[in-house]
Amino acid sequence: ELKVEQNPLFLSMQEGKNYTIYCNYSTTSDRLYWYRQDPGKSLESLFVLLSNGAVKQEGRLMASLDTKARLSTLHITAAVHDLSATYFCAVDYSNSGYALNFGKGTSLLVTP
Amino acid sequence: GAGVSQSPSNKVTEKGKDVELRCDPISGHTALYWYRQSLGQGLEFLIYFQGNSAPDKSGLPSDRFSAERTGGSVSTLTIQRTQQEDSAVYLCASSLGVGSYNEQFFGPGTRLTVL
Repeated sequence: ELKVEQNPLFLSMQEGKNYTIYCNYSTTSDRLYWYRQDPGKSLESLFVLLSNGAVKQEGRLMASLDTKARLSTLHITAAVHDLSATYFCAVDYSNSGYALNFGKGTSLLVTP
Repeated sequence: GAGVSQSPSNKVTEKGKDVELRCDPISGHTALYWYRQSLGQGLEFLIYFQGNSAPDKSGLPSDRFSAERTGGSVSTLTIQRTQQEDSAVYLCASSLGVGSYNEQFFGPGTRLTVL
């Protein structure tokens, strides 16, 4: 069974602090995706990580991929309130038509 | 450019009725996916279309669910004899195609409520 696990599932952090969200997956894949979802909205693509060691950064968010450890991280630097949202990681597999297998999501709340 | 569009945005129906949900993918995207998002099950894959190939229906939860894609573009997801457990947000996504850079872009979703 394919599994994608995120932790933590809930995260409350103060503005200005740093934190990391972890995403583990059970079966070898070279492609990992991070999405953001605001309440009542759809999914917004944040990062696509295509190979081992890939690192991408956008503003206060940085994502990395270690395919050997089957682990991706989403690091938040100096959090601001606008980052409050739910973050999903997902992996695609060739034997399921490259459909995305999602983690349960990390609900992030950034407080003053 | 235009993103993925879905209609209706909200649908309330009575148990036992049939519903049709529509998805219009990004122009030029050959791959189209349907997902379902519910509180209990999270985000689940339902069905996938690639060009004119036969769809991958491996994620459909029951034979009450079906989908078609006409002309390699617009897709319709049909749920027959709806049940209360079908209540969820149905999301459609499209991408340039598998085997390549498969970033999927999602539509706004259809919120289905079965009374």
